[in-house]
Amino acid sequence: DAGVTQSPTHLIKTRGQQVTLRCSPKSGHDTVSWYQQALGQGPQFIFQYYEEEERQRGNFPDRFSGHQFPNYSSELNVNALLLGDSALYLCASSLALPSPSTDTQYFGPGTRLTVL
Amino acid sequence: QKEVEQDPGPLSVPEGAIVSLNCTYSNSAFQYFMWYRQYSRKGPELLMYTYSSGNKEDGRFTAQVDKSSKYISLFIRDSQPSDSATYLCAMRENYGGSQGNLIFGKGTKLSVKP
Repeated sequence: DAGVTQSPTHLIKTRGQQVTLRCSPKSGHDTVSWYQQALGQGPQFIFQYYEEEERQRGNFPDRFSGHQFPNYSSELNVNALLLGDSALYLCASSLALPSPSTDTQYFGPGTRLTVL
Repeated sequence: QKEVEQDPGPLSVPEGAIVSLNCTYSNSAFQYFMWYRQYSRKGPELLMYTYSSGNKEDGRFTAQVDKSSKYISLFIRDSQPSDSATYLCAMRENYGGSQGNLIFGKGTKLSVKP
């Protein structure tokens, strides 16, 4: 049973550039959430995608955008990169209509983004 | 005041010790409480999931929720060096699915010495 996968593992960009991160959800899951985890901090919710639409959004600027594909995989795009965007970006997958035993978000290993 | 407060540690204990990890929160609407374990350079892994107040036990791990005090705890019995990781508490208001974004604490870094 394949878990959540993310690519790439590491990425180095310079200020002002744009970046795209990718996520494949756990088999059977239809909802993807993205989180940003700065060093020494807990993950912060960016947004969530279900049925190819953004369903919820955290307190992040419009420079952060995403997409979900028909196969439930997802991309996170960040434009006009700032030094403060350096972080571990985590993807979590879940079910839109879970039962109590399946009401869980499974996290991928993350993509570590460094902005120079 | 942050919604979820968690002492970042670090916390260092000898092997076999009982570990107590805690979080406090301010939003009384939180109903679902989770503990995640995160090894260095890895994604968080769910350890415990509790709805509302009460205790839940799973092997060496016990999660406690006291909604009246807005306080949650994770106890680890007979701690092992392999338990060395960062422990994140997380919570949310609503049942999962499309309402399920998690609010995390900062995480507590635990080191269990052999």
